[in-house]
Amino acid sequence: DVKVTQSSRYLVKRTGEKVFLECVQDMDHENMFWYRQDPGLGLRLIYFSYDVKMKEKGDIPEGYSVSREKKERFSLILESASTNQTSMYLCASRPRLVRSYTDTQYFGPGTRLTVL
Amino acid sequence: DQQVKQNSPSLSVQEGRISILNCDYTNSMFDYFLWYKKYPAEGPTFLISISSIKDKNEDGRFTVFLNKSAKHLSLHIVPSQPGDSAVYFCAARRIIQGAQKLVFGQGTRLTINP
Repeated sequence: DVKVTQSSRYLVKRTGEKVFLECVQDMDHENMFWYRQDPGLGLRLIYFSYDVKMKEKGDIPEGYSVSREKKERFSLILESASTNQTSMYLCASRPRLVRSYTDTQYFGPGTRLTVL
Repeated sequence: DQQVKQNSPSLSVQEGRISILNCDYTNSMFDYFLWYKKYPAEGPTFLISISSIKDKNEDGRFTVFLNKSAKHLSLHIVPSQPGDSAVYFCAARRIIQGAQKLVFGQGTRLTINP
């Protein structure tokens, strides 16, 4: 059974703090993703990673960075948290694409981050 | 620029009837479309998908229709069941610099009434 876990379900931080959101998958997937979900905007891609030590910017990377030192772990970093980064953060993983119909992503339960 | 749009934030349907969720897109380069379902406090889970070269894909109670000329797809659920109450996201796949990424719509909250 596939599993993507995120380190916290709820997190409250103060403006200016450095925040780490951790994601771990146990499926040996090469690709991992970080999204944020906001009302009326759906899921927006922040960063993704093809494989270990590789990273690519998504659609809204500003204010974020990522780290992928091990295949199973993908971290999202907010260097200096701001109130407009209050959101639901979702991590996902996917195996390296073999066939089109397998192109589904497996999501974690999400971390609701509040920045005060 | 919202490339994938779900214009109905919510939909309420009676149990046993058909639920139709709609999605519009603007980018002709999308080659694959997917629907995800999300319950509260859980991550989205994959439901059904369709290639851009098809116009219909069916899986049990779920059918997705694609109209490429109108850049429109829809998800039909019949018969609707209370367990179908969730937020449904439409997603479209694009390839940018060799990377395959999904673009999601805003989501539609479906409520099935007993």
